[in-house]
Amino acid sequence: DTAVSQTPKYLVTQMGNDKSIKCEQNLGHDTMYWYKQDSKKFLKIMFSYNNKELIINETVPNRFSPKSPDKAHLNLHINSLELGDSAVYFCASSPGWATQYFGPGTRLTVL
Amino acid sequence: GENVEQHPSTLSVQEGDSAVIKCTYSDSASNYFPWYKQELGKGPQLIIDIRSNVGEKKDQRIAVTLNKTAKHFSLHITETQPEDSAVYFCAAQRNQFYFGTGTSLTVIP
Repeated sequence: DTAVSQTPKYLVTQMGNDKSIKCEQNLGHDTMYWYKQDSKKFLKIMFSYNNKELIINETVPNRFSPKSPDKAHLNLHINSLELGDSAVYFCASSPGWATQYFGPGTRLTVL
Repeated sequence: GENVEQHPSTLSVQEGDSAVIKCTYSDSASNYFPWYKQELGKGPQLIIDIRSNVGEKKDQRIAVTLNKTAKHFSLHITETQPEDSAVYFCAAQRNQFYFGTGTSLTVIP
């Protein structure tokens, strides 16, 4: 009965590879987000989707592309991975622009 | 856009003492202020929130105060316990959320 789930929990890959992180929420929320948390614990919003429409894109490199097949899923695809992409990525969801509920995170390590 | 500052960045207290974390925001139109607790290896979890029409809210050992005039809000944890050790984030919302930089709280047994 997990509210917001992400897969995988850990992802280790080589520079230059392409990878995806999946996110699913069963809360019936209509807005979903992706955050990046760096080694200093700073939380930076990357994207949000409301009813399949991209609302926010906070100067994220175009190597990152969110894909939402339906209201319950928001996947993150990353092309040509770089060392600086290593971080923990969190998915979150909310009913409209209200309280956000976070997933457990995906720790991405780029070698 | 909104700018949320959070202090201190680290905080150590003895078990049983109180802990206070403070945040300031810049956009007077922000109207919702949640606090999140992030335990090691987990995602942030909402612990308490307050809306701009309320000055204080309490939930057991946790309380939040809001001063709209000064544009700052604070998290108060009383009778701290070792399980309160975590990173705490404040946030301010007008349309989107803006998070503070986090406070690493350590409660020493």
